[in-house]
Amino acid sequence: DADVTQTPRNRITKTGKRIMLECSQTKGHDRMYWYRQDPGLGLRLIYYSFDVKDINKGEISDGYSVSRQAQAKFSLSLESAIPNQTALYFCATSGPTEQFFGPGTRLTVL
Amino acid sequence: EDQVTQSPEALRLQEGESSSLNCSYTVSGLRGLFWYRQDPGKGPEFLFTLYSAGEEKEKERLKATLTKKESFLHITAPKPEDSATYLCAVQAAGNTPLVFGKGTRLSVIA
Repeated sequence: DADVTQTPRNRITKTGKRIMLECSQTKGHDRMYWYRQDPGLGLRLIYYSFDVKDINKGEISDGYSVSRQAQAKFSLSLESAIPNQTALYFCATSGPTEQFFGPGTRLTVL
Repeated sequence: EDQVTQSPEALRLQEGESSSLNCSYTVSGLRGLFWYRQDPGKGPEFLFTLYSAGEEKEKERLKATLTKKESFLHITAPKPEDSATYLCAVQAAGNTPLVFGKGTRLSVIA
């Protein structure tokens, strides 16, 4: 089984819709992250959480919110999706020496 | 502000033609430098963590080295299956989130 799973893997939605991307991990790590990746811009950090009670904004948090439901679960929400949120989204979790990424969610906002 | 710059942006090699990828960084107290491999549409896959200048790590045809200002990923006698984007990231002291470079897209031609 994969260490980090993301659902859905692909999603097409319309402008203005609310979308939730879910992430779960089996590594037992406290730290979890959400990134988006766009061609030419690399990986950019949206939100991160160092434990269940800790939520921090990354460099591009506007238009996004997160929920840390448990140590193993970290969800990303787009309250009102817009076309420039079309991207590849990755969840990750980190331990003392490594950071593990999920397989990604390809989101398209029409 | 912590920064990572990777060069070149893209590199095309013939099979067997060895080369190096560069990762230059500025960080307020380096806790670790990370190398990842990413295949198109997939999540980054962890390769190495380097912690101090002079450190080297190897895995198959890949060897990563670290100085106080940069890291190199040396690829010896590459094969077409080494084609991927290689990402470099740094973590500053204090366990802050990783800061990623934009990557080097490597193509190895048979």
